Amino acid sequence: KAGVTQTPRYLIKTRGQQVTLSCSPISGHRSVSWYQQTPGQGLQFLFEYFSETQRNKGNFPGRFSGRQFSNSRSEMNVSTLELGDSALYLCASSIRDRDRPLTDTQYFGPGTRLTVL
Amino acid sequence: ILNVEQSPQSLHVQEGDSTNFTCSFPSSNFYALHWYRWETAKSPEALFVMTLNGDEKKKGRISATLNTKEGYSYLYIKGSQPEDSATYLCAPRNAGNMLTFGGGTRLMVKP
Repeated sequence: KAGVTQTPRYLIKTRGQQVTLSCSPISGHRSVSWYQQTPGQGLQFLFEYFSETQRNKGNFPGRFSGRQFSNSRSEMNVSTLELGDSALYLCASSIRDRDRPLTDTQYFGPGTRLTVL
Repeated sequence: ILNVEQSPQSLHVQEGDSTNFTCSFPSSNFYALHWYRWETAKSPEALFVMTLNGDEKKKGRISATLNTKEGYSYLYIKGSQPEDSATYLCAPRNAGNMLTFGGGTRLMVKP
């Protein structure tokens, strides 16, 4: 089975621009979660999508948004980029087992490294 | 928001040494604990998912224990090898189904 893929792998933007990142989950996985990793804050949860609906949201401003398509692929959008948005953005997919929803494993992609100048 | 602490922040050991790290988390509203290994330039790799107090998991030379009553988990590596060099992350999961990651323990194993 192919793993989680993320595109693009690297991205350079300037302040004020917007960016869209893409994540394709493992086949059969219906949940996609997004995380931001920065040296100072570590890995922080952004949001989770399941069945095209946002199920959970972390403590990030409204400039961060996402969506999920019917094939479970997900996109994350950041508008009005700030310097502090420079980070590694990881997505993770999981089956989200109805019987064991809180113990299914999240499988991570390689990440998109965003640099804001 | 869960307060998850991992110690030590970094660790340098010699090949063959055994080592262990700690993950501390609030014991209330606990559902599961995940351990991940994150090697440089790779994706985080799932090691264990633990749910029950007293749970013990093992994968090769790596094992983990869980104490949900006092809110901690230990990760042990027996006979460390250079390929074990990575950052080890723990992440408790609460009823909201969110993983909250600790800052990680960075392990460096010298040959």
